[in-house]
Amino acid sequence: DSGVTQTPKHLITATGQRVTLRCSPRSGDLSVYWYQQSLDQGLQFLIQYYNGEERAKGNILERFSAQQFPDLHSELNLSSLELGDSALYFCASSNQDGAFFGQGTRLTVV
Amino acid sequence: DQQVKQNSPSLSVQEGRISILNCDYTNSMFDYFLWYKKYPAEGPTFLISISSIKDKNEDGRFTVFLNKSAKHLSLHIVPSQPGDSAVYFCAAAESQTGANNLFFGTGTRLTVIP
Repeated sequence: DSGVTQTPKHLITATGQRVTLRCSPRSGDLSVYWYQQSLDQGLQFLIQYYNGEERAKGNILERFSAQQFPDLHSELNLSSLELGDSALYFCASSNQDGAFFGQGTRLTVV
Repeated sequence: DQQVKQNSPSLSVQEGRISILNCDYTNSMFDYFLWYKKYPAEGPTFLISISSIKDKNEDGRFTVFLNKSAKHLSLHIVPSQPGDSAVYFCAAAESQTGANNLFFGTGTRLTVIP
């Protein structure tokens, strides 16, 4: 158990809908990262937050947004969903020891 | 721009042989490097790390080598076992205390053939 909690574990939704993925980092970790892993693809970095502020942005679509709250949990919002958004979405938190990943949320868009 | 690159998306190795996974980086400020292992439908897990003050770090069957002048690191697995079949990601940070700002490669899928 990495200590990073992601909910829900599975999500099935229709095209055009909006979903929110949630991540609770390890206690004390200030950084949260979001990654997308599509079928047979590597980890694609989406966005990083550090202590509530956006730190770095990767290949995140404009339809996607994220935020980190004062209690340090983070949410990834995906809107106007398309079939191609079906993927595993991972959250990680990190400290000086490195990054620790959650189990991921599997999103299926039908 | 991808600052950490893993140019081999996949690698197949016979059981018992050595697996060598490579990683290159472009940012000369990177000072701390990590390898993660990922099984299907699970989050990546930490495997081994190395600081730039070393050129080698060993942990059981896993050894990471760092060549700072070439901006290159590699992970050696000896002997390879079928259970090592996974996707391996390398990551880098500007310092160990800055490991809260990691840059990841896109991964190499290792298949160990029994």
